[in-house]
Amino acid sequence: AQKVTQAQTEISVVEKEDVTLDCVYETRDTTYYLFWYKQPPSGELVFLIRRNSFDEQNEISGRYSWNFQKSTSSFNFTITASQVVDSAVYFCALSEEYGNKLVFGAGTILRVKS
Amino acid sequence: EPEVTQTPSHQVTQMGQEVILRCVPISNHLYFYWYRQILGQKVEFLVSFYNNEISEKSEIFDDQFSVERPDGSNFTLKIRSTKLEDSAMYFCASSASSGRALGETQYFGPGTRLLVL
Repeated sequence: AQKVTQAQTEISVVEKEDVTLDCVYETRDTTYYLFWYKQPPSGELVFLIRRNSFDEQNEISGRYSWNFQKSTSSFNFTITASQVVDSAVYFCALSEEYGNKLVFGAGTILRVKS
Repeated sequence: EPEVTQTPSHQVTQMGQEVILRCVPISNHLYFYWYRQILGQKVEFLVSFYNNEISEKSEIFDDQFSVERPDGSNFTLKIRSTKLEDSAMYFCASSASSGRALGETQYFGPGTRLLVL
């Protein structure tokens, strides 16, 4: 069965600090897909990134970067030089090869203070 | 940029009443989904829909729930007889893909906040 664990319930940082959000997943499939979504206070779910299990290259997009390590079943998300607008709940999610549902982690609340 | 839209944004209903939540997926997408998020909790999968039929559903999606694509643009979730525990944010999502949805990105609508009194 698939499972996503985000052990950090809430993180508070001061603006300009770097912050890493952890995500650990479980699946029996060899092909799977990992995602991060952002849920700002307004409530919508905003897609950030998708990764397939065969692509372990780290990715950087502006201040965002993702570290995918199959050996530890982790897909961590780092925000560099955090800003107040980064304050949100961040969800990690997994979908397996045969099936298209997303299984979400519990989410990490990120509070960035000015 | 194309987006998923949902109506209404908020709905308040009495226990036992029927509600219909509406969604307009992104126009060239073929897979449609409903998820729910009880306040302060994780997002949970309810159902996926492809080619005019349910392709997968969760244990939450019992006989009280149904989905329909009544025309070429709308996708609806009906709850026949609402319960207090149905109070949640309901998200519609859609993804492209003409076949098995192999991990396609799902784009979410803004949600409908349902409150059952």
